[in-house]
Amino acid sequence: QVHLVQSGSELKKPGASVKVSCKASGYTFTDNGMSWVRQAPGQGLEWVGYISTNTGNPTYAQGFTGRFVFSLDTSINTAYLQITSLTPEDTAIYYCARIAVAGDLADHWGPGTPVTVSS
Amino acid sequence: DIVMTQSPDSLAVSLGERAAINCKSSQSVLYSPNKKNYLAWYQQKPGQPPSLLISWASTRESGVPDRFIGSGSGTDFTLTISSLQAEDVAVYYCHQYYSPPLTFGGGTKVEIK
Repeated sequence: QVHLVQSGSELKKPGASVKVSCKASGYTFTDNGMSWVRQAPGQGLEWVGYISTNTGNPTYAQGFTGRFVFSLDTSINTAYLQITSLTPEDTAIYYCARIAVAGDLADHWGPGTPVTVSS
Repeated sequence: DIVMTQSPDSLAVSLGERAAINCKSSQSVLYSPNKKNYLAWYQQKPGQPPSLLISWASTRESGVPDRFIGSGSGTDFTLTISSLQAEDVAVYYCHQYYSPPLTFGGGTKVEIK
């Protein structure tokens, strides 16, 4: 069965960087893209963007360009989200979610990685 | 960007009663060539990631109880829980995957009255 395992919670100071990992199993990694979704404390869901695991081509939502970078290591079936120049407004849970073959639908989600930015 | 507007923000329903959540998109998410609505519903319980309930506006995912019913087309959609159970307490989100940026509704919190 599809399983997404994310790295553990992070506590960072403003200005630092963080790299969140998402390791997939139970399917062929390069058959499905990977989305990233942010959820600020007590708030709703916000799409950060997605990456094609086949080509490595990323698509970022407006507001997530520049400081947010997706990457892959297909040898270990892992997707990454790196965020640089962190601010307290980046404090959130970051989810990876597998994209279904048909459409850009996120059909399986990781458990989320809480990132806290505080001085 | 396609804006997704959900209503109500919250609702309290007695056990066994019907709950209905509405979702309106700012433009149609119906793709004419395949006649599919690119609209999904997610359930999120406290402390958990979202879980896909319904895709293509009305297709229940495997294992989802048949009391969850998705309906609608174009710009107007509804998620109905036909007989609310205690385990259905959660926040529900509609989501369009018609075109990037993919967007979510603001969420509807469902509680027991």
